[in-house]
Amino acid sequence: EAGVTQSPTHLIKTRGQQATLRCSPISGHTSVYWYQQALGLGLQFLLWYDEGEERNRGNFPPRFSGRQFPNYSSELNVNALELEDSALYLCASSWGLAETDTQYFGPGTRLTVL
Amino acid sequence: DAKTTQPPSMDCAEGRAANLPCNHSTISGNEYVYWYRQIHSQGPQYIIHGLKNNETNEMASLIITEDRKSSTLILPHATLRDTAVYYCIVRDNNDMRFGAGTRLTVKP
Repeated sequence: EAGVTQSPTHLIKTRGQQATLRCSPISGHTSVYWYQQALGLGLQFLLWYDEGEERNRGNFPPRFSGRQFPNYSSELNVNALELEDSALYLCASSWGLAETDTQYFGPGTRLTVL
Repeated sequence: DAKTTQPPSMDCAEGRAANLPCNHSTISGNEYVYWYRQIHSQGPQYIIHGLKNNETNEMASLIITEDRKSSTLILPHATLRDTAVYYCIVRDNNDMRFGAGTRLTVKP
């Protein structure tokens, strides 16, 4: 069974630009989660999508947004990039049957803002 | 903020059991204890989770104290590939709060 996939693996942008990160969940999973892991720091919860709807978001500014498509894949968009947005962005998926469903993570996208 | 406290680092000899402790003294009745590990710059890998009872799977065992205020993850026969940061997480919803974790180094 294929795991969670993310693209691109690496992304380099300059300050003020927009970045789009993509995630494909495990087949059958309807929930997708996004996390940010800045260098040397722990994972910070960004967003949760389920059945195409945003269900919850972490303490991040509105320039972090996303969406979930009918096939349950998801995009994370970061507008007006700032240097401190440089981080590993991780996507996870789960069955979405309960809020405590096990989340399975992808390999991440390394975003570098210059 | 994470609801757990873990030692920042531990060492373990290859082939021996690795016992990773976690304190979660403020855990409430409906909160699960989850363990993940992260090998350098990769996505976190799910290991095991439990609510009240001890759990075992092909990767590890999870021992939860009767008062649920602490738990221990046991890797029965640690290998060099088990070197990673191990995260203990208490959760009752989709918002998993990762702390700093324990950096486990397995030595030959």
